[in-house]
Amino acid sequence: GAVVSQHPSWVICKSGTSVKIECRSLDFQATTMFWYRQFPKQSLMLMATSNEGSKATYEQGVEKDKFLINHASLTLSTLTVTSAHPEDSSFYICSAGGTGPTNTQYFGPGTRLTVL
Amino acid sequence: LAKTTQPISMDSYEGQEVNITCSHNNIATNDYITWYQQFPSQGPRFIIQGYKTKVTNEVASLFIPADRKSSTLSLPRVSLSDTAVYYCLVGPTGGFKTIFGAGTRLFVKA
Repeated sequence: GAVVSQHPSWVICKSGTSVKIECRSLDFQATTMFWYRQFPKQSLMLMATSNEGSKATYEQGVEKDKFLINHASLTLSTLTVTSAHPEDSSFYICSAGGTGPTNTQYFGPGTRLTVL
Repeated sequence: LAKTTQPISMDSYEGQEVNITCSHNNIATNDYITWYQQFPSQGPRFIIQGYKTKVTNEVASLFIPADRKSSTLSLPRVSLSDTAVYYCLVGPTGGFKTIFGAGTRLFVKA
């Protein structure tokens, strides 16, 4: 139980295009999901908190118009990187917490984004 | 949000017990302590969670003193596959955000 999936697991895109990453809680309902990004050899950096049915809350320094988050249901949150540039290349990880079996935050496997 | 401090790195040998201590001096009453393991290019994996005293599961033990200002993750008889980064997180469970510290890079040698 308590499985979180992400799709795609990796994506390569051209500069200027937009990329959508999906995060799903497979066996529990997640009222809240979180999005992180991680650069090589660094820790996870929280980008935003995604709440079902409401606007996401972004951390300081994260451009909300560039990183669009939608939490349309209790099992799905999406992160869209708009007009991606090479500096957006990173490892994006989502997590879900809420009314799960132990109420613990569980993480997805991550999505590797490479912008050419 | 409680700030955590862990050793940056640790080395060990196969078969040894490894103890990683995390300091969290400003832990709040409703905060839990959760440890995660992360391998390169993977999402963090839940290891163990506790509130006070001792918690044990099939992979690790978590020791929390009475003042809860620190915690120790104990990995019995590590193997090469335990080489990873270990994160200690402190905060309310479920839908509350948590901030990752630098973590501890454990390197297990043969």
